Amino acid sequence: GEQVEQRPPHLSVREGDSAIIICTYTDSATAYFSWYKQEAGAGLQLLMSVLSNVDRKEEQGLTVLLNKKDKRLSLNLTAAHPGDSAVYFCAVSASSGSWQLIFGSGTQLTVMP
Amino acid sequence: ETAVFQTPNYHVTQVGNEVSFNCKQTLGHDTMYWYKQDSKKLLKIMFSYNNKQLIVNETVPRRFSPQSSDKAHLNLRIKSVEPEDSAVYLCASSSRAETLYFGSGTRLTVL
Repeated sequence: GEQVEQRPPHLSVREGDSAIIICTYTDSATAYFSWYKQEAGAGLQLLMSVLSNVDRKEEQGLTVLLNKKDKRLSLNLTAAHPGDSAVYFCAVSASSGSWQLIFGSGTQLTVMP
Repeated sequence: ETAVFQTPNYHVTQVGNEVSFNCKQTLGHDTMYWYKQDSKKLLKIMFSYNNKQLIVNETVPRRFSPQSSDKAHLNLRIKSVEPEDSAVYLCASSSRAETLYFGSGTRLTVL
């Protein structure tokens, strides 16, 4: 079945710097890709999602890149600020038809002032 | 704005006790889920309910059981808790399976 690897597990950046989180997946038929943010003591919140026919999507300081050849999905936070400190998860849809989301292992991002 | 409500926020109990966690969604979604999040933040799907029918159960021990009265509610019961059940339990709902809306979770501590 689908395998998703996410890295790095921990990431510290200074305010104003970029932060990049990467996920790789194994199933070339994967059709849906998304990123979630989990703040301390809260549930996961959808940040952005893309379908497999999209290579790049930008919204409010976030950039999602999809490289289908390398089976790699990335999230780039440009000009990170302390409020971005949270755990970030990638999620991909299974191609089996059940549409069950497969989550990455999470990245703890810390943005220092 | 929160639309998936979980209670309680925290629960501490002893091994062997029975616990029940509540979840309600006001989004009108057809599908609800329970996830277990361990201390390393890893997420594991436990149950998926669509129109009162269980459609996913990922090797969850039999002491866990979902309980649904209608499509807006999906509770989680644990019959006899064990120490390894200590975790955060997250409820979610969706209208399309690829986009989930999560509650804030119930943190269970088993002593």
